[in-house]
Amino acid sequence: EDQVTQSPEALRLQEGESSSLNCSYTVSGLRGLFWYRQDPGKGPEFLFTLYSAGEEKEKERLKATLTKKESFLHITAPKPEDSATYLCAVQAGGTSGSRLTFGEGTQLTVNP
Amino acid sequence: DVKVTQSSRYLVKRTGEKVFLECVQDMDHENMFWYRQDPGLGLRLIYFSYDVKMKEKGDIPEGYSVSREKKERFSLILESASTNQTSMYLCASTGGASSGNTIYFGEGSWLTVV
Repeated sequence: EDQVTQSPEALRLQEGESSSLNCSYTVSGLRGLFWYRQDPGKGPEFLFTLYSAGEEKEKERLKATLTKKESFLHITAPKPEDSATYLCAVQAGGTSGSRLTFGEGTQLTVNP
Repeated sequence: DVKVTQSSRYLVKRTGEKVFLECVQDMDHENMFWYRQDPGLGLRLIYFSYDVKMKEKGDIPEGYSVSREKKERFSLILESASTNQTSMYLCASTGGASSGNTIYFGEGSWLTVV
């Protein structure tokens, strides 16, 4: 069974204080690892897809990395508008319909 | 941009009512999904569909059914709503490998069953 565990559950940062969110996973043949951002009361917004160990992707203050067992979402010099819940999900190879298995998310708060 | 539209954002229904949640996507995606999201439990897959009239059970299908008569539309049906189905429901779609397997979500439907 595919499993995704995110840590910490909640993270509070001061504006400009860089940090990382962790996503540990077990999956039978990784097809892709996905990061989403979710604001309160809204649907998840796609951020990144990582396909193989060693891959990195960046978008503004966010950088996602992938190893064979985990992924990190690095946030550099965060701003209050980066406050949201960040979700990690995995997609297994050979899965019909491209379904995702999600972690429970990390709730990030950035204080001004 | 991909657009996944959920027709009802907020609904309040009574126990035992039949509830329809509608979802439409505009990108000709083959695959569509229904998830529910609850505090402490994350997103859980209810049903998915990989083609018109095709459906597969997800992790928590009990108490739900789905309908996909047209490629762009995927409906979630609660035959007899119960209070434990109070939740946020999220519809999603993907074009599969042609779109990098990225799954796009709608804005969500908040359902309260009283």
